[in-house]
Amino acid sequence: EAGVTQFPSHSVIEKGQTVTLRCDPISGHDNLYWYRRVMGKEIKFLLHFVKESKQDESGMPNNRFLAERTGGTYSTLKVQPAELEDSGVYFCASSQEEDGQYEQYFGPGTRLTVT
Amino acid sequence: KNEVEQSPQNLTAQEGEFITINCSYSVGISALHWLQQHPGGGIVSLFMLSSGKKKHGRLIATINIQEKHSSLHITASHPRDSAVYICAAYMEYGNKLVFGAGTILRVKS
Repeated sequence: EAGVTQFPSHSVIEKGQTVTLRCDPISGHDNLYWYRRVMGKEIKFLLHFVKESKQDESGMPNNRFLAERTGGTYSTLKVQPAELEDSGVYFCASSQEEDGQYEQYFGPGTRLTVT
Repeated sequence: KNEVEQSPQNLTAQEGEFITINCSYSVGISALHWLQQHPGGGIVSLFMLSSGKKKHGRLIATINIQEKHSSLHITASHPRDSAVYICAAYMEYGNKLVFGAGTILRVKS
């Protein structure tokens, strides 16, 4: 069974440009999460989808970030326009309930560098 | 102050040593993850636990929900154990994970 995949693995863009990150969760997982680690800080929650609905987007830093999960399968996270402080590693995770627990499985991350 | 605190931040050990990494949290949680990330690699789940103790090979994780504390132990450490170890707590309500800052472990041969 394929794990969580993310694309691209690395992205280098200039300030003001747009970048779209993609996450493909484990097949059948209803829950999809986006997290971010900026340099020197702990990983922080961005948002949580249940199927195609946003369950919790309390961690989204500002309205330059837009996440979608059309059809409840893969998700995209768009940053427009990108700023220097958006640089970091963006992780995606997915989960499905099993015995009342929701163990999350992580993707390899996308390293975003904004210059 | 972060809701999940880890210690130590950095740890250097000699091959074969017994290693302990600690995690404490200040809020109600339903479960806790111990995660591992090798340099340049993705995040791998080592354990998810909500009570007691779990063991997998040379790794042991314990949690005391009442004391809001968890530990990860590595027995007979090996250079390939060198990685960042992260604890992450599932908040009591919802599925959001709150992460510790991570412990950078280096095991020397």
